[in-house]
Amino acid sequence: GAVVSQHPSWVICKSGTSVKIECRSLDFQATTMFWYRQFPKQSLMLMATSNEGSKATYEQGVEKDKFLINHASLTLSTLTVTSAHPEDSSFYICSAISATAEAFFGQGTRLTVV
Amino acid sequence: DAKTTQPPSMDCAEGRAANLPCNHSTISGNEYVYWYRQIHSQGPQYIIHGLKNNETNEMASLIITEDRKSSTLILPHATLRDTAVYYCIALPYNQGGKLIFGQGTELSVKP
Repeated sequence: GAVVSQHPSWVICKSGTSVKIECRSLDFQATTMFWYRQFPKQSLMLMATSNEGSKATYEQGVEKDKFLINHASLTLSTLTVTSAHPEDSSFYICSAISATAEAFFGQGTRLTVV
Repeated sequence: DAKTTQPPSMDCAEGRAANLPCNHSTISGNEYVYWYRQIHSQGPQYIIHGLKNNETNEMASLIITEDRKSSTLILPHATLRDTAVYYCIALPYNQGGKLIFGQGTELSVKP
């Protein structure tokens, strides 16, 4: 199956700093990628839709100025958590959509803000 | 998208079949039933999907009732590595992969 890679797998940052998470589709092009967040013992929550070459679409309640999404190429979307705080600590997961509309997920990024 | 309902947890003995039910009584004619699973601290993994016919692949079988109001995912010979949260999602095929996850079923395969 298609491969989607996230980097880093885990990151620890200080409160107030920004963290960038990359999502790459390694063997296919993806005009659309999705970003999810998952808190412990909870399900995945859709944060935003990332479209190549255009602005991201955010789900209700997700702050677009705090979670900056850039999808500058057909194989890369980035999520930047700006001015991170401990409550932003979570598991962040991306999915990339193939030409046949199949969703392939990255392995996730564990963010811990201290 | 149709709402799906799954039991929060299930146990299964290793080597036995695991049958995971999903209720989607409000599913519409253009919505497929998708199954994904998430092993702890990993991204979700696609298992199988179907519209109205039963489907089988190397991972599992999907049985959809004739009225399409419910389905069952069958793992024929569960192993310890199948311990995961299993998500059933009803989605139009042209939704472009925008998956909305419910709470899923936490399957524990026990030796």
